[in-house]
Amino acid sequence: ETGVTQTPRHLVMGMTNKKSLKCEQHLGHNAMYWYKQSAKKPLELMFVYSLEERVENNSVPSRFSPECPNSSHLFLHLHTLQPEDSALYLCASSQVGRGGGSYEQYFGPGTRLTVT
Amino acid sequence: GENVEQHPSTLSVQEGDSAVIKCTYSDSASNYFPWYKQELGKGPQLIIDIRSNVGEKKDQRIAVTLNKTAKHFSLHITETQPEDSAVYFCAASILQAGTALIFGKGTTLSVSS
Repeated sequence: ETGVTQTPRHLVMGMTNKKSLKCEQHLGHNAMYWYKQSAKKPLELMFVYSLEERVENNSVPSRFSPECPNSSHLFLHLHTLQPEDSALYLCASSQVGRGGGSYEQYFGPGTRLTVT
Repeated sequence: GENVEQHPSTLSVQEGDSAVIKCTYSDSASNYFPWYKQELGKGPQLIIDIRSNVGEKKDQRIAVTLNKTAKHFSLHITETQPEDSAVYFCAASILQAGTALIFGKGTTLSVSS
């Protein structure tokens, strides 16, 4: 176990549904990340929260909405998704130093999302 | 921005053989190069990393080498075992600037006994 948990592990949703993915880290880190992993493509960074502030939004469609209520929890709210959004969604956390430098990232097991 | 290329995309070896996976990066400012292993049904796990102030790092059967001039780095696994079978990802970033990790597309390693 890496100290990063994600729920649910599997999710099937219709295009008109609204659902949320949850991530929790037990490592005392101060930065959290959402990645999308599709077949045959590199991991794509979606969002970065550092010290509970969103510091990066990688041109992600507005149907994905992140929320970071505290340094240990991260959510990804989903609504009106498309079939091409089907993928493995990975959460990660790391410790960010005073100068902004980020150390090793630890990943959760991911949520396998299927949009029908 | 940074671009990371990884080769090969698939690699099959016999148990006991060595495996080498190579990555190239484009941004000469990158100074942190981690390698992740992803087993089926799990998220990527950090197995080894190297910073630009060293040329090689070893951890038991795993080693990583870095050539800053040529902008490439490699993962070497010796005495491979079936449990080494997984997808391996390289990545690059600029640690001090806190830039995001840019990942390669991954290498599927299969070790047959």
